[in-house]
Amino acid sequence: AQTVTQSQPEMSVQEAETVTLSCTYDTSESDYYLFWYKQPPSRQMILVIRQEAYKQQNATENRFSVNFQKAAKSFSLKISDSQLGDAAMYFCATRNAGNNRKLIWGLGTSLAVNP
Amino acid sequence: GAVVSQHPSWVICKSGTSVKIECRSLDFQATTMFWYRQFPKQSLMLMATSNEGSKATYEQGVEKDKFLINHASLTLSTLTVTSAHPEDSSFYICSARDFTGAAHEQYFGPGTRLTVT
Repeated sequence: AQTVTQSQPEMSVQEAETVTLSCTYDTSESDYYLFWYKQPPSRQMILVIRQEAYKQQNATENRFSVNFQKAAKSFSLKISDSQLGDAAMYFCATRNAGNNRKLIWGLGTSLAVNP
Repeated sequence: GAVVSQHPSWVICKSGTSVKIECRSLDFQATTMFWYRQFPKQSLMLMATSNEGSKATYEQGVEKDKFLINHASLTLSTLTVTSAHPEDSSFYICSARDFTGAAHEQYFGPGTRLTVT
């Protein structure tokens, strides 16, 4: 069975600083996706970044980047130049490739951004 | 990105009544939609996978007779909480999968807060 572990229930960062959120996962599949989702206080789930497992290059979206270590089954999220609007719950998730595959979620990390 | 709407955004109902929540994909067709439940400060719990034109697949422990799911069209899925009780109070989120892209992206609705009194 697939599992996703986020070992940091809460994190904090100073505005403009960099923070890294940890995520490890377990899967026996060879073709899968990894995701980081952001859930702000509005509770609207927002996709932050997606990584295809077959791609060696780490995904990047503006100030958000990942460190994907496939052998170690690690998928951390780095937020650079943190902004107040980055304060949210961040969820790591994985999904097998293919139709109707469901997302497997981590428990989330609550990120506070201090001015 | 694609947009998924939910209606209502919040609802209060009396114990014993039923309440229906709608999930719509506004600009794409979604043959597959998912219904989640989320308690405060917790992760999403998948309740069921809804496929257009067929019966939903419920996760273990989810009562299919209590949480009725209907996916009658390619853009609409509904979740009906029947004979609601206070313990059903929660935040319900739907998502819809867009199969047009290579990644089959999953887009989320804004959620529905249900309070049962």
